[in-house]
Amino acid sequence: GESVGLHLPTLSVQEGDNSIINCAYSNSASDYFIWYKQESGKGPQFIIDIRSNMDKRQGQRVTVLLNKTVKHLSLQIAATQPGDSAVYFCAETVDNYGQNFVFGPGTRLSVLP
Amino acid sequence: DSGVTQTPKHLITATGQRVTLRCSPRSGDLSVYWYQQSLDQGLQFLIHYYNGEERAKGNILERFSAQQFPDLHSELNLSSLELGDSALYFCASSETSGVSYNEQFFGPGTRLTVL
Repeated sequence: GESVGLHLPTLSVQEGDNSIINCAYSNSASDYFIWYKQESGKGPQFIIDIRSNMDKRQGQRVTVLLNKTVKHLSLQIAATQPGDSAVYFCAETVDNYGQNFVFGPGTRLSVLP
Repeated sequence: DSGVTQTPKHLITATGQRVTLRCSPRSGDLSVYWYQQSLDQGLQFLIHYYNGEERAKGNILERFSAQQFPDLHSELNLSSLELGDSALYFCASSETSGVSYNEQFFGPGTRLTVL
């Protein structure tokens, strides 16, 4: 499949280690945020979301942290596995009636054996 | 498999032409979203429809238009194509457009190449 974002920032982690992917969002009025995973040749896949009235949300092996003061979002992946290798995007929305999402540039996660 | 289907998978056409991309949402999903993904611009939201009604517009050019039909499938029409329109076009669907449940399921995409 096509390589998306050939010049994306890359995070390389050892298998089994924890990964932290960061995202700075642009609009202080954004009230809903999503992390997506995109594997080569596939469409984005929802990982986890968080609303602006929360600071932290946990899923299975993933945690999202939201810091509204500095407009920063992070995705933590515990015990990173080879299958986690992908491009990760954060997305923010400022309009709940219509879902007008703004995506970050993405980070490529590479899991080393 | 997300349950969202897109056709065609690949499309090669010439500048100035017009194409139509088709999306069938997951069964039961009322919202359809279109996105463009290019190497230089990343993933960009184009437009959102809910139950046939346009709900939000993003960075969609005037040469592009979309609609959602009564059976909830959607089409994205791209006209007067330019080289820069070459990209992956994704469709996504979700159950509602409200706040309560917003997970979007993406289709496999249509790769458009304009020569």
